[in-house]
Amino acid sequence: EAGVAQSPRYKIIEKRQSVAFWCNPISGHATLYWYQQILGQGPKLLIQFQNNGVVDDSQLPKDRFSAERLKGVDSTLKIQPAKLEDSAVYLCASTTMGATGEQYFGPGTRLTVT
Amino acid sequence: AQSVTQPDIHITVSEGASLELRCNYSYGATPYLFWYVQSPGQGLQLLLKYFSGDTLVQGIKGFEAEFKRSQSSFNLRKPSVHWSDAAEYFCAVGANNNDMRFGAGTRLTVKP
Repeated sequence: EAGVAQSPRYKIIEKRQSVAFWCNPISGHATLYWYQQILGQGPKLLIQFQNNGVVDDSQLPKDRFSAERLKGVDSTLKIQPAKLEDSAVYLCASTTMGATGEQYFGPGTRLTVT
Repeated sequence: AQSVTQPDIHITVSEGASLELRCNYSYGATPYLFWYVQSPGQGLQLLLKYFSGDTLVQGIKGFEAEFKRSQSSFNLRKPSVHWSDAAEYFCAVGANNNDMRFGAGTRLTVKP
């Protein structure tokens, strides 16, 4: 079974530029999450999708961050414009709907904003 | 609001020694508790989880954790640490797989 795929793995941009990250969850997983992990901290949930609907985006900075999951499969997370404090690893995870079990995490995208 | 505290930022143990990583949580209802491990450059992997029932939970790689409601704790233990256990460990609390909150992590170093 293929795992959660993310791209790119690394990205360096200047502040005020835009950037997008892509995630392809495990096949059949209805729930998809985006997390932000700042160096030295634990992952912070940004947004949770159930199929193509948003379940929780309470911690997403909506003035600059956006995410979509149009066909209920893969997802993109966008930052526009980026700030220095957005430097972090962005993790995507997926799980089966209603599961009381494991979230499967991708390897993450490391973003550096200069 | 729910939160997780991992009091130890960094722990060093000798290979073969026992390990205990502390986790305290704050949650308004019956918590779902998790321990994840993250190796450098890797995503997080679930070690074990607690939802209900037996308060001593067995996980992968020889890890176990004990849920103590009276102390709001969910400490992770391993009787004998291997060099390959060196990694970052995260405790998390949530409602099922919703509204997950992660601690700041404990970095484990294993001395030969």
